[in-house]
Amino acid sequence: DSGVTQTPKHLITATGQRVTLRCSPRSGDLSVYWYQQSLDQGLQFLIQYYNGEERAKGNILERFSAQQFPDLHSELNLSSLELGDSALYFCASSVGTDQPQHFGDGTRLSIL
Amino acid sequence: ILNVEQSPQSLHVQEGDSTNFTCSFPSSNFYALHWYRWETAKSPEALFVMTLNGDEKKKGRISATLNTKEGYSYLYIKGSQPEDSATYLCASSRYSGGGADGLTFGKGTHLIIQP
Repeated sequence: DSGVTQTPKHLITATGQRVTLRCSPRSGDLSVYWYQQSLDQGLQFLIQYYNGEERAKGNILERFSAQQFPDLHSELNLSSLELGDSALYFCASSVGTDQPQHFGDGTRLSIL
Repeated sequence: ILNVEQSPQSLHVQEGDSTNFTCSFPSSNFYALHWYRWETAKSPEALFVMTLNGDEKKKGRISATLNTKEGYSYLYIKGSQPEDSATYLCASSRYSGGGADGLTFGKGTHLIIQP
């Protein structure tokens, strides 16, 4: 058990819809990271938050946004969903950027 | 190189044998190199984080080395056991705007230990 909690585990929705993925980091970790894993792709970094502020941004689409709340949990919002957004979305947390990241179990998003 | 590349893509090893695989990463503006172990139906599990050229880290039968000047890291597994079967991912980050950018992951080396 990594201590990182992601909900929901599975999400099935239709094109054009909007969903919110939630992540609770490991106790004591201030950094939260979001990753996307699509078929035939490795883990792709989306965005990092540190203590409520955006710290680093990867190839995150404009239709996607995230935030980290005062209690350090984070949400990833995906809107105007397309078939290609179907993927496994991971959240990870760490104490700092030169420290190991602890991954949640992921949310599997299926767009029909 | 701009991407993180791992080789080989897959590897079959007899139980008891030792093995190693490679990760190549951009050496410019290097910040950190991570290794993760990813078993099927589980989430990635951190093995090592290395930041200094020449770093060597060890955890049980698994060890890793780092060369930041030429941009490569090796992961070694001594006396492979069936429970070592997994995909091993490496990822690097670079300095950006006073801090580190996000991790760029390789596609992994899929290791299968044959009894």
